[in-house]
Amino acid sequence: SYELTQPLSVSVALGQTARITCGGNNIGSKNVHWYQQKPGQAPVLVIYRDSNRPSGIPERFSGSNSGNTATLTISRAQAGDEADYYCQVWDSSTDVVFGGGTKLTVL
Amino acid sequence: EVQLVQSGAEVKKPGESLKISCKGSGYSFTSYWIGWVRQMPGKGLEWMGIIYPGDSDTRYSPSFQGQVTISADKSISTAYLQWSSLKASDTAMYYCARVLRYSVGYYMDVWGKGTTVTVSS
Repeated sequence: SYELTQPLSVSVALGQTARITCGGNNIGSKNVHWYQQKPGQAPVLVIYRDSNRPSGIPERFSGSNSGNTATLTISRAQAGDEADYYCQVWDSSTDVVFGGGTKLTVL
Repeated sequence: EVQLVQSGAEVKKPGESLKISCKGSGYSFTSYWIGWVRQMPGKGLEWMGIIYPGDSDTRYSPSFQGQVTISADKSISTAYLQWSSLKASDTAMYYCARVLRYSVGYYMDVWGKGTTVTVSS
């Protein structure tokens, strides 16, 4: 089965750039989607198909995907960006796969 | 506005049955897949399965096959997740989400607020 690996936590200083990684075997050959989940709330799609932002998502959120690592980048991090972030792919043998989630802390 | 409205919190005893719902509005309910996702307390997201309300085509994650039933009533734009015999380990938040399916996969663009299910004797 296909697995996605995310760091448990990432910290970033206010106004700096946060990078959250999502590792998987040849993940660059798949499309990666990212979700933000704030405490007590439902997940929200922030990046789809590697690097596309849904309407309403700030340009500060961007995504990339190559080789064995996909990355969600949050520029000019704000206190309101504190949340859990999940990556997700679809795999022909495993169907939908979520990463374990990364807790982003803005210091 | 596209919305998915889920039914309210449930408290059940082990062995009881349960059916929770997810009502779509603001879009053509029969033209998009609906997925279900479990989140156990303090844990991550787990994919349960998916249904296409247009023809009730349903797919289950192997982890949930045989454990739950996913269904839909397109006449009232509502999808369902049901259990015939709950276990304490079914205690979790359950989310429904609209699924955008394309050539090499799918993702969830709109989520319901979730239904909390608590199973305790």
